[in-house]
Amino acid sequence: AQSVAQPEDQVNVAEGNPLTVKCTYSVSGNPYLFWYVQYPNRGLQFLLKYITGDNLVKGSYGFEAEFNKSQTSFHLKKPSALVSDSALYFCAVRANTGNQFYFGTGTSLTVIP
Amino acid sequence: NAGVTQTPKFQVLKTGQSMTLQCAQDMNHEYMSWYRQDPGMGLRLIHYSVGAGITDQGEVPNGYNVSRSTTEDFPLRLLSAAPSQTSVYFCASSPGSFGNTIYFGEGSWLTVV
Repeated sequence: AQSVAQPEDQVNVAEGNPLTVKCTYSVSGNPYLFWYVQYPNRGLQFLLKYITGDNLVKGSYGFEAEFNKSQTSFHLKKPSALVSDSALYFCAVRANTGNQFYFGTGTSLTVIP
Repeated sequence: NAGVTQTPKFQVLKTGQSMTLQCAQDMNHEYMSWYRQDPGMGLRLIHYSVGAGITDQGEVPNGYNVSRSTTEDFPLRLLSAAPSQTSVYFCASSPGSFGNTIYFGEGSWLTVV
C-alpha cells in the first residue's frame, strides 16, 4: 500500500530563517513524490516533484526537497522563509499502479515576521 | 486556460437532499478524481477515473456516485446528503503517465444541515 506521513501538524519559523517541512513515505516500487501548497480557500498548487535522478529537487518559489531513499523521506526545504510562505503544505505519492495520488494530512506553516 | 473547473463553489443542502458537483477539465487528461478535505484528515480520495467509461472507488466512496461519459467531465453525485458530508470537495485531473503532477480545481464548499 502507498502512503505518506507528515509528522508535524504545525511548523512555525521566523522570517529569514530556513524552514523544513517533513514527509516520509511508504511505497512499493519506485516512488513518485510531490509537494503541493494550499492557500486559504484555494485549491492545491504544485510545488515540485521527484521522479528519478538527482536527490535534491528544486521547485517553485525557492522551495526544494531532498529525496532520501534509505530514510524513505522527502522533506521540503527553503533557505530563507518569507511571511508569504505561510500556507498549508501537502506531501503526496503517486501509485505506480492505478494512477492514484495519496496525500499526507498536511502541515500548516506559519512564518513569523 | 481554464484548467479544472468546479461548480458550484458554495452550496447548502438539507439532510436527505441530493445534488451534483460538476467538474470539467480542458487539458485532455485521462485521470480524474474527487477528494474531500476535512480538518486534520488531509485529502481523502472518494472516486477516481482513468478514462471515459471507467470509474473506481477510493478510500471514502460511501454516499457518492460518479460517472465518466466524456474525457472532460467527471460529476460527483451525493445521493442523500448527510451532515457527515459537510466538507470541501476538490476535483483533480492528471495525464495518465506516472511522472505527471495532478491539477486541482478551486474547491466546492458544501454544508449539509
